[in-house]
Amino acid sequence: AQKVTQAQTEISVVEKEDVTLDCVYETRDTTYYLFWYKQPPSGELVFLIRRNSFDEQNEISGRYSWNFQKSTSSFNFTITASQVVDSAVYFCALSLATNAGKSTFGDGTTLTVKP
Amino acid sequence: SQTIHQWPATLVQPVGSPLSLECTVEGTSNPNLYWYRQAAGRGLQLLFYSVGIGQISSEVPQNLSASRPQDRQFILSSKKLLLSDSGFYLCAWSVSGGRGSPLHFGNGTRLTVT
Repeated sequence: AQKVTQAQTEISVVEKEDVTLDCVYETRDTTYYLFWYKQPPSGELVFLIRRNSFDEQNEISGRYSWNFQKSTSSFNFTITASQVVDSAVYFCALSLATNAGKSTFGDGTTLTVKP
Repeated sequence: SQTIHQWPATLVQPVGSPLSLECTVEGTSNPNLYWYRQAAGRGLQLLFYSVGIGQISSEVPQNLSASRPQDRQFILSSKKLLLSDSGFYLCAWSVSGGRGSPLHFGNGTRLTVT
């Protein structure tokens, strides 16, 4: 069975600080996909990024960056120079290549960015 | 572009009453469809998924059922609600056959069973 662990339940930072959200996953499959989603106070989950298990290249998109390390089964998410609008619940998720797109989610990390 | 509609946004129902939540997708054909539930302070639990009309797979035994009467319509139902059915219900779709296709979520329905 697959498992996704987001050990940080809540994080609070002051605007302009950098913050890293941790994600550790477990699976025996060799082909899988990792995702990050953002859930703002409005409730709708928004897809941020996907990584497949064969691509360990880190990615940067504006203030967001993702660090995927298969050796430690981690897929961490860093927000640089955080802003109040980054306040949300962030979910890490894992999907196998063989399971019709079903995703296993972590419990989420609530990020609060204070002005 | 693809859009997903889910309604109602909020619902308060007494214990023992029936439930019907509806979700429709526009702008894509033969999507995979999903119902997730999010309990307060927790992650998302997959309840049902469907890869085609009339094809429903249940992930956890429960008081709920799902149906897919049309290609882009997904319905979550219950004959008699329990207090434990309260939660935030999210419908989602992904590309059929698309390995690693991300999920695209609706706005969710907040259900309170009293």
